[in-house]
Amino acid sequence: AQTVTQSQPEMSVQEAETVTLSCTYDTSESDYYLFWYKQPPSRQMILVIRQEAYKQQNATENRFSVNFQKAAKSFSLKISDSQLGDAAMYFCASAVGARQLTFGSGTQLTVLP
Amino acid sequence: EPEVTQTPSHQVTQMGQEVILRCVPISNHLYFYWYRQILGQKVEFLVSFYNNEISEKSEIFDDQFSVERPDGSNFTLKIRSTKLEDSAMYFCASTGQGARKLFFGSGTQLSVL
Repeated sequence: AQTVTQSQPEMSVQEAETVTLSCTYDTSESDYYLFWYKQPPSRQMILVIRQEAYKQQNATENRFSVNFQKAAKSFSLKISDSQLGDAAMYFCASAVGARQLTFGSGTQLTVLP
Repeated sequence: EPEVTQTPSHQVTQMGQEVILRCVPISNHLYFYWYRQILGQKVEFLVSFYNNEISEKSEIFDDQFSVERPDGSNFTLKIRSTKLEDSAMYFCASTGQGARKLFFGSGTQLSVL
């Protein structure tokens, strides 16, 4: 079984600043994927970034990057140059192959103007 | 970008009634999922579907739930006799071979009165 833990229920950041959201996970599998999803007030689930566990290089998507520490089972999301549109609930998730995603409890990010 | 579409966006029903939530996954995808999110809580896996049969299901997915892919394009979730606690946002998702990225629909908000 997989578990995903997000220990920060709420975070805030000043516009244009950088913020890091934390996530830890537990799995007995050696081949798995990790994800960050964004859920704005519309409640749509939007994929922000994905990391394959076998890749040592941290994934990057424009202003979003991850710090993947496999030994520590840590997968944090860094948002650089935060924008008002980044305000949302962020969910960390893990999956083994095509099997189901296991989500964390989410971090509500507020961006302050 | 291709989309998973879900209808209706909102569904209101009386307790004990049957509801069918509809989804059109992305056309060349092979794996299909239903997730639900009770307001303020994490997203929870319900069921996965591959090769015209259920591949995995959670403990939430009891005998009141069923899924079907009736015509090769639609993917439906049926709740036979709705309960108040079934009120949630229901997300359909799909992914292709390799299962590297899960595409979510925009969800159906089910309200059971």
